[in-house]
Amino acid sequence: GENVEQHPSTLSVQEGDSAVIKCTYSDSASNYFPWYKQELGKGPQLIIDIRSNVGEKKDQRIAVTLNKTAKHFSLHITETQPEDSAVYFCAANYGAYKYIFGTGTRLKVLA
Amino acid sequence: DGGITQSPKYLFRKEGQNVTLSCEQNLNHDAMYWYRQDPGQGLRLIYYSQIVNDFQKGDIAEGYSVSREKKESFPLTVTSAQKNPTAFYLCASKTRRESYNEQFFGPGTRLTVL
Repeated sequence: GENVEQHPSTLSVQEGDSAVIKCTYSDSASNYFPWYKQELGKGPQLIIDIRSNVGEKKDQRIAVTLNKTAKHFSLHITETQPEDSAVYFCAANYGAYKYIFGTGTRLKVLA
Repeated sequence: DGGITQSPKYLFRKEGQNVTLSCEQNLNHDAMYWYRQDPGQGLRLIYYSQIVNDFQKGDIAEGYSVSREKKESFPLTVTSAQKNPTAFYLCASKTRRESYNEQFFGPGTRLTVL
C-alpha cells in the first residue's frame, strides 16, 4: 500500500545548529508534500509545504527540498532555537483528499 | 476567529460504552477528517468526508462511526467494538479546491478507556 517513511525518529541538535529530517514516499502520483509541527498535547500545525512543480521552497529558517525522481523530500531548519523542539511530521497526498503521514521525528534543541 | 474546535479535550470512558467526540469548523471547508494518533506512530486515517451526507472509510475504520449532517460538523463515535480505543484523536478539514491542499487540524481529544 501507500507509504511514507520518515527518518530519523529522534534528533538532538545544539542550539544554533541545523536540523534535517528526511521522508520517502511511494505513490508516484503524489504532488503535495506538507510538513507539520506538533507540540505536546496539541494538534499539528502546518509549517511549510511544497508542490511537485518546484524543487525547493524557503521560509525564513525553514526550507523544504523535493526530489521527485527519487521520491524524497526533506525539511531543513537552520539556526535552531529551543522553541523549535517538537515533533515534526511529513506527509504526501494520495489523490485529492487523502494524506499519508510519516511516523514523526522528535526534535530536541539543546541550549 | 476561524478554526476547528474539538471537545472535550480529555474524555474518559468505561469499557463497553460508546462515546462521541465532537468536531466543529467555521472555515467553510467541505472536506473533514478524523485521525488517530498513538505514541511513536504517525496519524492514521479513520474516516473522511468530502461533502455533506457523504463519508468514506479510512485505513482503520473498524469500531468507529461518523455522520456528516452539516457542513460544519463531523462527529466521531467510538463504539464498544473498538478493541483498543485509548488514543489521541485529531479532526482536520480542508477546502475541496485542489489548488489549496492544506489540512487544518483541531487541538485534539485524548480518550482514555478505564
